[in-house]
Amino acid sequence: AAGVIQSPRHLIKEKRETATLKCYPIPRHDTVYWYQQGPGQDPQFLISFYEKMQSDKGSIPDRFSAQQFSDYHSELNMSSLELGDSALYFCASSSGWGTGELFFGEGSRLTVL
Amino acid sequence: RKEVEQDPGPFNVPEGATVAFNCTYSNSASQSFFWYRQDCRKEPKLLMSVYSSGNEDGRFTAQLNRASQYISLLIRDSKLSDSATYLCVVNGTNAGKSTFGDGTTLTVKP
Repeated sequence: AAGVIQSPRHLIKEKRETATLKCYPIPRHDTVYWYQQGPGQDPQFLISFYEKMQSDKGSIPDRFSAQQFSDYHSELNMSSLELGDSALYFCASSSGWGTGELFFGEGSRLTVL
Repeated sequence: RKEVEQDPGPFNVPEGATVAFNCTYSNSASQSFFWYRQDCRKEPKLLMSVYSSGNEDGRFTAQLNRASQYISLLIRDSKLSDSATYLCVVNGTNAGKSTFGDGTTLTVKP
């Protein structure tokens, strides 16, 4: 079965650069979530989208933005990168609002040098 | 206080042991509860949902206590392959996000 696809899997950037992560949810899933997981930490919620509209916002820095497109894929844009942005970024999708189970992609590992 | 708190761990147990994890949540209006499992450097995967009446899946039993606002996960007859980090996840009334606990790391040793 098709899973959540994230790209790129690995990304290396320098401070103050910009990065874009992409997420393709499971077909027919209309809700996308972005999480950031630092080393040894639990996943921290950044932002979510339901039916292409932002539905909830967590600890997402102002330097970051995201959107969900008409085909339900989502992109997380990160600007003015800082060393502390180095983390594993997970995208998850679900079917319907608030139905509970999240299906995670394998994550995009961002390293900022 | 964090919205979702878990036993700090780590738990190091021998094969065949029974181990229990607890998780407390602060939002009394929380609607749904889950246990996820995360292997090192991998994505979290749903282990089981937690229902008010309690539920069991093989060696795993999950329970919910709404009055005390905690959920638990019991693993019986631990296997080496159970070694992982177990994340407690809580959805609130505005379930646009799922809130994760810090995770409890379990290591099962031969």
